[in-house]
Amino acid sequence: DIQMTQSPSSLSASVGDRVTITCRASQSISTYLNWYQQKPGIAPKLLIYAASSLQSGVPSRFSGSGSGTDFTLTISSLQPEDFATYYCQQSYSTPSFGQGTKVEIK
Amino acid sequence: EVQLVQSGAEVKKPGESLKISCKGSGYSFTSYWIGWVRQMPGKGLEWMGIIYPGDSDTRYSPSFQGQVTISADKSISTAYLQWSSLKASDTAMYYCARHGDPYYYYMDVWGKGTTVTVSS
Repeated sequence: DIQMTQSPSSLSASVGDRVTITCRASQSISTYLNWYQQKPGIAPKLLIYAASSLQSGVPSRFSGSGSGTDFTLTISSLQPEDFATYYCQQSYSTPSFGQGTKVEIK
Repeated sequence: EVQLVQSGAEVKKPGESLKISCKGSGYSFTSYWIGWVRQMPGKGLEWMGIIYPGDSDTRYSPSFQGQVTISADKSISTAYLQWSSLKASDTAMYYCARHGDPYYYYMDVWGKGTTVTVSS
């Protein structure tokens, strides 16, 4: 099984901040990496697929990068609606998620 | 509009059976994999398995193999997740989601979730 490790597990940030979340795979997964946003009580929402492709309708302040084992999700200027939990997911083999990163208001 | 509509919340006793559903609309249901994701209270997301409604090809996460059964009825565009004997540890929110690409397996359309509570 491929293990996905996100860091940090949580962070506090202010509106307008640049936020970076890291996801590391236990083995190379090429670019088979997707990112989701989840708000409390709501189903997850796809943000980024194939490591760096922006899902239709997702604001351009979200971006993804990386390949192999190390990936990042960047929010260029944090907005009030971005406070949520973010998950990475590998789809190289049997899909699995990272443990999540909670972005909280500072 | 592409959407997945899940069945309502369930409250069951340990040992009981259960089948929850996920109905797709607004797209060709038989052309996309449908997956199930578990989220236990206060916890993260866990991928359970997927089914291709076109031919009922089904794949499970090793963690869920033998614990649940995934099925689909393409005539009514509906996928199912079922348990033969529930445990308290099955208490969770269960999401169905469409896998929008056969290679990258990203989940681009999600149902609202079905809450399953198992308690004596």
